Amino acid sequence: KQEVTQIPAALSVPEGENLVLNCSFTDSAIYNLQWFRQDPGKGLTSLLLIQSSQREQTSGRLNASLDKSSGRSTLYIAASQPGDSATYLCAVEAGANNLFFGTGTRLTVIP
Amino acid sequence: NAGVTQTPKFQVLKTGQSMTLQCAQDMNHNSMYWYRQDPGMGLRLIYYSASEGTTDKGEVPNGYNVSRLNKREFSLRLESAAPSQTSVYFCATFGGVQETQYFGPGTRLLVL
Repeated sequence: KQEVTQIPAALSVPEGENLVLNCSFTDSAIYNLQWFRQDPGKGLTSLLLIQSSQREQTSGRLNASLDKSSGRSTLYIAASQPGDSATYLCAVEAGANNLFFGTGTRLTVIP
Repeated sequence: NAGVTQTPKFQVLKTGQSMTLQCAQDMNHNSMYWYRQDPGMGLRLIYYSASEGTTDKGEVPNGYNVSRLNKREFSLRLESAAPSQTSVYFCATFGGVQETQYFGPGTRLLVL
């Protein structure tokens, strides 16, 4: 069974700092990997989706990379802002309708 | 467009009571999902429906039933609630240009 791990579980950084969130998965046979954002008491919002054939995706200040062979992905956030404070989840799609989620990294950006 | 909506937002049940969680979408997506989210466990798939009239079990289906009433609605029923079913329940759809999942705001369920 696919297992997805996110380290660290929580992270606090001062505003303006660049940061990296990590995600690892045990089975490299994936269709894609997604990064989601979850605000307290809310649902998940998709941030970036990387197909298995891709190495990275970018959206604004966010950049996600994928190294399928080593089972790792990173989410890079540039020039962090207090509005970036949220929980970030990664999920791998291992087959149709088969999405495995990590437990998330809770990010706090301190003004 | 409301996207994915869920009712109720919060519910308290006593052990043994039954209830139905409702989910509706106006995105015209075929696939719909029910997840539960527990601290330290991540989201786990309970049931999914690839299209109207079909449903399949996910990772943790025991204690739940589902109904895909039509393309818009996908409900989750707890016939006899147990404290272990205390969780946050999310409904999601799949589709769109980016072919990703779209989540509702969640239902917080407390079973005493």
